[in-house]
Amino acid sequence: AAGVIQSPRHLIKEKRETATLKCYPIPRHDTVYWYQQGPGQDPQFLISFYEKMQSDKGSIPDRFSAQQFSDYHSELNMSSLELGDSALYFCASSLRTGVHTQYFGPGTRLTVL
Amino acid sequence: DAKTTQPTSMDCAEGRAANLPCNHSTISGNEYVYWYRQIHSQGPQYIIHGLKNNETNEMASLIITEDRKSSTLILPHATLRDTAVYYCIVRGGADGLTFGKGTHLIIQP
Repeated sequence: AAGVIQSPRHLIKEKRETATLKCYPIPRHDTVYWYQQGPGQDPQFLISFYEKMQSDKGSIPDRFSAQQFSDYHSELNMSSLELGDSALYFCASSLRTGVHTQYFGPGTRLTVL
Repeated sequence: DAKTTQPTSMDCAEGRAANLPCNHSTISGNEYVYWYRQIHSQGPQYIIHGLKNNETNEMASLIITEDRKSSTLILPHATLRDTAVYYCIVRGGADGLTFGKGTHLIIQP
């Protein structure tokens, strides 16, 4: 079965640069979630979107923004990168109806130098 | 969402059943119990979920107490590939998941 696709899988940036992460949900899933997992930490919810509208907001820094497009894919934009932004970024998708079980992608490893 | 409490780590012999407990004493009536696991640096993997009744799928069984204040995830025949961090999450609605510390399950050969 098709899974959540994230790109790129690895990304290296310098401090103060910008980065864009992409997420392609499971076909027919309409809700997308973003999570950040720092080294040795548990995943932390950042933000979610349903039908291109922000659905829920977690601990997303003001330097980050995200959006969902009409084909349901989502992009996480990160500006003025800091060393502390080095982390794994996971995207998950779900169907809005039913139980909303979230299925996760393989993640993007962002390294800020 | 309700807070959960899990043991920090557990060991289990390969081939035996692994029983992972979770306390969620403040769970609300409309909140589900979800279990995910994360194998080193991979994306969290959905295992199973339940509301009131016990549930079973091809991966595991979920036993929820009658008062819904605790649950147990059972991996019937643990293999080395089941070594992972297991997260018990209580959640209602479509909001983001709150991951606690989870249980680091180590399967011993």
